[in-house]
Amino acid sequence: EAGVAQSPRYKIIEKRQSVAFWCNPISGHATLYWYQQILGQGPKLLIQFQNNGVVDDSQLPKDRFSAERLKGVDSTLKIQPAKLEDSAVYLCASSFASEETQYFGPGTRLLVL
Amino acid sequence: GENVEQHPSTLSVQEGDSAVIKCTYSDSASNYFPWYKQELGKRPQLIIDIRSNVGEKKDQRIAVTLNKTAKHFSLHITETQPEDSAVYFCAASMKSGGYQKVTFGIGTKLQVIP
Repeated sequence: EAGVAQSPRYKIIEKRQSVAFWCNPISGHATLYWYQQILGQGPKLLIQFQNNGVVDDSQLPKDRFSAERLKGVDSTLKIQPAKLEDSAVYLCASSFASEETQYFGPGTRLLVL
Repeated sequence: GENVEQHPSTLSVQEGDSAVIKCTYSDSASNYFPWYKQELGKRPQLIIDIRSNVGEKKDQRIAVTLNKTAKHFSLHITETQPEDSAVYFCAASMKSGGYQKVTFGIGTKLQVIP
């Protein structure tokens, strides 16, 4: 079974620039998660989708972060404008709607200079 | 909301020794507790999980125990090997508003010394 795909794997931008990340979940997984993992910390949930609807975005900094999952499959996460403290690994994960087990993608490592 | 505390933050053991990582959670509604292993530069991968109706689960050298009353759960790795070196994350999960809500611990960096 193909895993969760993410791109790009690495991105370096300057502060105040914009950046977008893409995620393709495992086929059939209705639930999709975006996490931010700062070096030395555990993954922090940014946003969770059930199909194409948002079920939890309570920790998403909505003034600069946005995410969408228009057709209930792929998802994009955008940061505009980026700040230095956004430097982190952005992990996408997916799961079957009825199951708790999440499967993670390889992540996108973002460095904001 | 749920709060998961994990300790120790770093752990060094000699190859062949056992390693124990402990986590506590705050919300008694949490009913699913997965453990993830993350090797350097790689994605977190599920290594074992336990549900609240079970007190212990074992898979070869890895075991997890759960004490619902005390709200803590632990990962036990026996006969450690160098390839066990990684960061281990615990998590607590619950159904909330019809969907699964997961909170991760801060992680434990395990180093197995050959």
